[in-house]
Amino acid sequence: SAVISQKPSRDICQRGTSLTIQCQVDSQVTMMFWYRQQPGQSLTLIATANQGSEATYESGFVIDKFPISRPNLTFSTLTVSNMSPEDSSIYLCSETTGQETQYFGPGTRLLVL
Amino acid sequence: GQQLNQSPQSMFIQEGEDVSMNCTSSSIFNTWLWYKQEPGEGPVLLIALYKAGELTSNGRLTAQFGITRKDSFLNISASIPSDVGIYFCAGRLPGANSKLTFGKGITLSVRP
Repeated sequence: SAVISQKPSRDICQRGTSLTIQCQVDSQVTMMFWYRQQPGQSLTLIATANQGSEATYESGFVIDKFPISRPNLTFSTLTVSNMSPEDSSIYLCSETTGQETQYFGPGTRLLVL
Repeated sequence: GQQLNQSPQSMFIQEGEDVSMNCTSSSIFNTWLWYKQEPGEGPVLLIALYKAGELTSNGRLTAQFGITRKDSFLNISASIPSDVGIYFCAGRLPGANSKLTFGKGITLSVRP
């Protein structure tokens, strides 16, 4: 499996600000995804990051709130915009090479005050 | 949306015991994946299952893809304290580029 790294690993932010999370994979992958894991909850897919085009968002998530970039096959960013305390979560980058298995990064732990 | 059912929410076992976790759904899945998540970490893939009836082991872990394709189980044998964590099942529905559906997870505690 590819090795996935995320930056930052954690952050504490003030409401109304924005945070950009980076995801780097050490080899080319077919698909990259962004998930949110709220405290004590399971994983919820935010969007599929498409290389060179707009991300595909799941119901309940919009581009204005969670803009995503994927400039190449190994890198993606997720921005959490105009944050509120309800955005406090773990944000996880994930990848698959189309082999049906899927791997996750270590996550970014966000606390919004 | 599709749901995967994992229960109970928490399990408490004694070190050395075996434990079994089930994951069920009303829908048919093509792939079953089992993950473990420890505090401060992302989910780590434990076992992947690709066809009905498949039985796969990874050390002390064994998982099976149910014959009906609507369920899967994970067994941990001879548990040790480092088995503590949250165990998630995830399934992939039929169809190209189908997204993963996750269960709510089972928190496992192991008493020394």
